[in-house]
Amino acid sequence: GAVVSQHPSWVICKSGTSVKIECRSLDFQATTMFWYRQFPKQSLMLMATSNEGSKATYEQGVEKDKFLINHASLTLSTLTVTSAHPEDSSFYICSAAPRDRGRTDTQYFGPGTRLTVL
Amino acid sequence: DQQVKQNSPSLSVQEGRISILNCDYTNSMFDYFLWYKKYPAEGPTFLISISSIKDKNEDGRFTVFLNKSAKHLSLHIVPSQPGDSAVYFCAAAYSGGGADGLTFGKGTHLIIQP
Repeated sequence: GAVVSQHPSWVICKSGTSVKIECRSLDFQATTMFWYRQFPKQSLMLMATSNEGSKATYEQGVEKDKFLINHASLTLSTLTVTSAHPEDSSFYICSAAPRDRGRTDTQYFGPGTRLTVL
Repeated sequence: DQQVKQNSPSLSVQEGRISILNCDYTNSMFDYFLWYKKYPAEGPTFLISISSIKDKNEDGRFTVFLNKSAKHLSLHIVPSQPGDSAVYFCAAAYSGGGADGLTFGKGTHLIIQP
């Protein structure tokens, strides 16, 4: 099956620093990648939609200058949390939709990245 | 405003019995629904989906039922097994021909008891 990886799986950083999270589709090309955020005991909230070669589309309430998304290739999207604060601590999950499919049922999720900002 | 609602935070079912997880939605534009299973500190795993043109989809032990008029869907797992213990998320999307971000419910923690 299709595999999506995330790196790092776990990161602790100091307040004010920036953290980059990578999302890779390992055995397929992904035209579209999505970034979600999950707070404890909460749902996954869509943050942004990332299309290869174009600017990301952010959901309402998500600061695009704080959460920088780059979809540099058909297998890699990165999320950079800039000037991180403790309230940014969360579980960030990416998903990828294969290039040859348009339906959301073929959206594969990565294992997630636990970010803790001190 | 939560567009996808899972009103039961947890559900306990005896092994071998049927597990029924419920989900309600408010946005009539949604035309595709999915169920995901999630273990702690892992990403969701796709289980089963259903298009709004159908009212039932079955895959092995998993069956999803959709009642469009009630804006309600349910996931049936039968027979329930210990490995089914996880958090189950209902998700919805409206497709315009391309891949869409999903709107998730808050999840239901299913506990299968031996």
